Amino acid sequence: AQTVTQSQPEMSVQEAETVTLSCTYDTSESDYYLFWYKQPPSRQMILVIRQEAYKQQNATENRFSVNFQKAAKSFSLKISDSQLGDAAMYFCAYRSARGGSEKLVFGKGTKLTVNP
Amino acid sequence: GAGVSQSPSNKVTEKGKDVELRCDPISGHTALYWYRQSLGQGLEFLIYFQGNSAPDKSGLPSDRFSAERTGGSVSTLTIQRTQQEDSAVYLCASSLASGLLSYEQYFGPGTRLTVT
Repeated sequence: AQTVTQSQPEMSVQEAETVTLSCTYDTSESDYYLFWYKQPPSRQMILVIRQEAYKQQNATENRFSVNFQKAAKSFSLKISDSQLGDAAMYFCAYRSARGGSEKLVFGKGTKLTVNP
Repeated sequence: GAGVSQSPSNKVTEKGKDVELRCDPISGHTALYWYRQSLGQGLEFLIYFQGNSAPDKSGLPSDRFSAERTGGSVSTLTIQRTQQEDSAVYLCASSLASGLLSYEQYFGPGTRLTVT
């Protein structure tokens, strides 16, 4: 079974600075998808960024980028120019590319605090 | 357009009672997922629907839990004879399709269930 580990229960960053959230995963599959989700206090899970394992290029979405290291099974999220609205729980998630296995496997989450 | 909606937003019930949680997916989304979020276990997959059928119900924790989906739209998660360990936030998500293509799962705001 696949597992996802987020080793940082909490992180903090100063407004306008950069922070990196760590995620590692364990799988024997070669094709899969990785995601970072944000969950603010409203509980609404919001997709931040996704990465297909077959793509070597790291995904980027505005201030959010990932460092995907397939051999190391590592998938970190970098938030640049942090804003107060970035404060939330961040979850790393794995999804198999194998048909019929649609579930997301989540890490335990990292609580990000942004200090003004 | 309208997102995934869930009702009720909060539910308090007595131990031993049955509860029904409802999910309205985004119109046209054929895939629907239920997850449970609790302090001790994090985010766990419960069940996945493709249309009205459930190809993966491996995450249902016991036979007290059941779910159905009708008309390829609304889904109901039923918990019979609730226990205190059932207290959690129950999240529903839907996606446009499933299979090998990784479509984003859009989450609802969740139902917070408290069993007293």
